[in-house]
Amino acid sequence: GQQVMQIPQYQHVQEGEDFTTYCNSSTTLSNIQWYKQRPGGHPVFLIQLVKSGEVKKQKRLTFQFGEAKKNSSLHITATQTTDVGTYFCAGLEDNFNKFYFGSGTKLNVKP
Amino acid sequence: NAGVTQTPKFQVLKTGQSMTLQCAQDMNHEYMSWYRQDPGMGLRLIHYSVGAGITDQGEVPNGYNVSRSTTEDFPLRLLSAAPSQTSVYFCASSYSGTGGLYEQYFGPGTRLTVT
Repeated sequence: GQQVMQIPQYQHVQEGEDFTTYCNSSTTLSNIQWYKQRPGGHPVFLIQLVKSGEVKKQKRLTFQFGEAKKNSSLHITATQTTDVGTYFCAGLEDNFNKFYFGSGTKLNVKP
Repeated sequence: NAGVTQTPKFQVLKTGQSMTLQCAQDMNHEYMSWYRQDPGMGLRLIHYSVGAGITDQGEVPNGYNVSRSTTEDFPLRLLSAAPSQTSVYFCASSYSGTGGLYEQYFGPGTRLTVT
């Protein structure tokens, strides 16, 4: 069945350092979404990538979708304490209406 | 707009009890879904619906039932609660169009403990 693997599980960085989380799917995706969840909160949508090779930026966040539409990454430049939380990817399989979430990367930023 | 609302926020059940988790959205979204979140496992899809009267199974449907009689409401029923169903449950809704499914809006979650 469909699987979305996400690494690393945890990342501890000093404020100002960069951070990257990666997602890999076992099958081709129709699109991939990224979410952020703060402790005790619910997932909040960040972005959706649809096209092969797509790159989107939101201030210090850069999102990429692989050429084969099977992998994606989120890169944060110069982390801040407000970036703390767990980042999830969610892949939508071609021709299906099911989102498969990665297990998430928990980011801790030390001031 | 209230967005996606869920009730209750917290619930404790004894093994074998039944209950319904409520979910409602006021954004006229066709697509609604239920996820459970367990530590270290991300969110797993339980059931989803692409419109009123249409439901389908996700990754982990066993022990749960759903129905969708209106666009707004998508309740999740636990028929006979088990300790393995202790989890945080999130309901989500999404606009669906010619380009597929879009941003998912999540409710605040229901924290369920089964003893």
